Amino acid sequence: EAQVTQNPRYLITVTGKKLTVTCSQNMNHEYMSWYRQDPGLGLRQIYYSMNVEVTDKGDVPEGYKVSRKEKRNFPLILESPSPNQTSLYFCASRLAVDTGELFFGEGSRLTVL
Amino acid sequence: DQQVKQNSPSLSVQEGRISILNCDYTNSMFDYFLWYKKYPAEGPTFLISISSIKDKNEDGRFTVFLNKSAKHLSLHIVPSQPGDSAVYFCSGGSNYKLTFGKGTLLTVNP
Repeated sequence: EAQVTQNPRYLITVTGKKLTVTCSQNMNHEYMSWYRQDPGLGLRQIYYSMNVEVTDKGDVPEGYKVSRKEKRNFPLILESPSPNQTSLYFCASRLAVDTGELFFGEGSRLTVL
Repeated sequence: DQQVKQNSPSLSVQEGRISILNCDYTNSMFDYFLWYKKYPAEGPTFLISISSIKDKNEDGRFTVFLNKSAKHLSLHIVPSQPGDSAVYFCSGGSNYKLTFGKGTLLTVNP
């Protein structure tokens, strides 16, 4: 089944404790991206990647890092999480780099205390 | 700078009637637009798209209209069904980025 898989789905952590949210897609997609969803703010792009070793900032990249060492994986790294990073995170991918529909994962709800 | 605006946070309609969800944008460089539907505890799912060179695209009960001069697009759902109750996101795409609006919660009452 074609899908985007995120882990963990739910996580409660404390300020400053590094964490990684993994994302994997099995559709051989070139493009991958991370979004966060917050009440009243909709979906905002954090980072995106057009190919292996090619990443770029979205609209809200502060406090996040990403890497794309393999085509299928695009982990989101929070080096020192803070409470304002409490959010619902979505990973997404699409076949083409510059156009087309995004396929989303089911989301990862992160709470930073 | 909010490039994609969905000014109605919520909309309530009766089953069988038409639902019209509106979206305005400011970025003239958008090449295409996508509508997504999102149920609670799930990721957004693609609904329908339209290229910036078109003014209408239809897929079953769903039709998207684009008015480039007004920088406005709308999603029509006819007839509306209770299963259509969800949050709908409008998005515009250009330069490798897809920018979303804040979403509109549609409630279809039986």
